[in-house]
Amino acid sequence: DIQMTQSPSSLSASAGDRVTITCRASQSISIFLNWYQQKPGKAPKLLIYAASTLQSGVPSRFSGRGSGTDFTLTISSLQPEDFATYYCQQSYSNFKTFGQGTTVEIK
Amino acid sequence: EVPLVESGGNLVKPGGSLRLSCAASGFSFSKYNMNWVRQAPGKGLEWVSSITSSGTYLYYADSVKGRFTISRDNANNSLYLQMNSLRAEDTAVYYCTRGENEYAYWGQGTLVTVSS
Repeated sequence: DIQMTQSPSSLSASAGDRVTITCRASQSISIFLNWYQQKPGKAPKLLIYAASTLQSGVPSRFSGRGSGTDFTLTISSLQPEDFATYYCQQSYSNFKTFGQGTTVEIK
Repeated sequence: EVPLVESGGNLVKPGGSLRLSCAASGFSFSKYNMNWVRQAPGKGLEWVSSITSSGTYLYYADSVKGRFTISRDNANNSLYLQMNSLRAEDTAVYYCTRGENEYAYWGQGTLVTVSS
């Protein structure tokens, strides 16, 4: 199975900060990489698919880059509602593994 | 919105069985691959199983292979997960999701607790 590794596991940031989360795949997955946001007690929400395509309704401060094995999710200016846990997921394989998550906390 | 409503979660003893259901509405259910994703308390997301639109192909995580069975009823817009030989480590919220690659639609989840 393809392993997905996110870094960091958690980070503290202030509103207005630029935040970048990294996701690395154990083998090349082309651009088959999705990003989700999850808030406590809620189902995950799709933010970005195919590495860089913004899901409808998602603010443009979210962006994704990468291909092959290395990917990033960037929030250009952190807003109060962005404090949450973020997960990457590979969809290259039929066995669609998630990263372990990155929690963005208020500094 | 695309309502997906899970049901069937409960407290069950180790070694027991449970069947989860997901009722879909608002879209052509038979055209979409469907999936189950779970989240243990305080832990991350874990992909569990997927089924193609016609039900021809089934995929399972190694952690549930041989114990869980995914199925669907396209006539009744429903997705199922039959869970046998349950273990404490199967305790989680189970989400039903729609999609082949990205999962744009999720249910609210149903809690399965495996404990004696």
